[in-house]
Amino acid sequence: AQKVTQAQTEISVVEKEDVTLDCVYETRDTTYYLFWYKQPPSGELVFLIRRNSFDEQNEISGRYSWNFQKSTSSFNFTITASQVVDSAVYFCALSEERGQNFVFGPGTRLSVLP
Amino acid sequence: KAGVTQTPRYLIKTRGQQVTLSCSPISGHRSVSWYQQTPGQGLQFLFEYFSETQRNKGNFPGRFSGRQFSNSRSEMNVSTLELGDSALYLCASRRSGGSDEQYFGPGTRLTVT
Repeated sequence: AQKVTQAQTEISVVEKEDVTLDCVYETRDTTYYLFWYKQPPSGELVFLIRRNSFDEQNEISGRYSWNFQKSTSSFNFTITASQVVDSAVYFCALSEERGQNFVFGPGTRLSVLP
Repeated sequence: KAGVTQTPRYLIKTRGQQVTLSCSPISGHRSVSWYQQTPGQGLQFLFEYFSETQRNKGNFPGRFSGRQFSNSRSEMNVSTLELGDSALYLCASRRSGGSDEQYFGPGTRLTVT
């Protein structure tokens, strides 16, 4: 069965610090997709990235970077030089090729303090 | 391209009443999913509709139901409301399945008194 674990419930950092949000997943499929979403205080989930199971290249987008490691079933998200606007709840999610279910982790609440 | 829209944005209902929430997906998206979000339970999957058929269902009582129309718009209905149904209800759409990312609407915040 699919499962996504985000062990960090809440993280607080001071502005300009780097922060890594952990995501560990479980799946029996060989083809699957991983996602990260951001939910700011306004409530709407914002799509950040999708990764398929055959592409283990790390990705960087501005201050955001993602580290996908199949060997440890992890898909971690790093924010470099954090800003107050990064304060939000971040969700990691998994979708399998053969199934249609989208499974979300419990989320990590990130607070960036000025 | 317009995003996912949900109506109404806020709703206050009394225990025992019923409620219908509406979701319009992104144009061209055929899959619509519904989630319930509460502080204690996180994001919980309700159901997914694809081409007017329920494709997946979460672990919610039969009081929660939904449907999808031929234009992919979806509604969810909650009958005999309970206090515990107070939550943010999020709708998400995606093109088809598996590999596609979901795009979320702003949600409907339902308060049951």
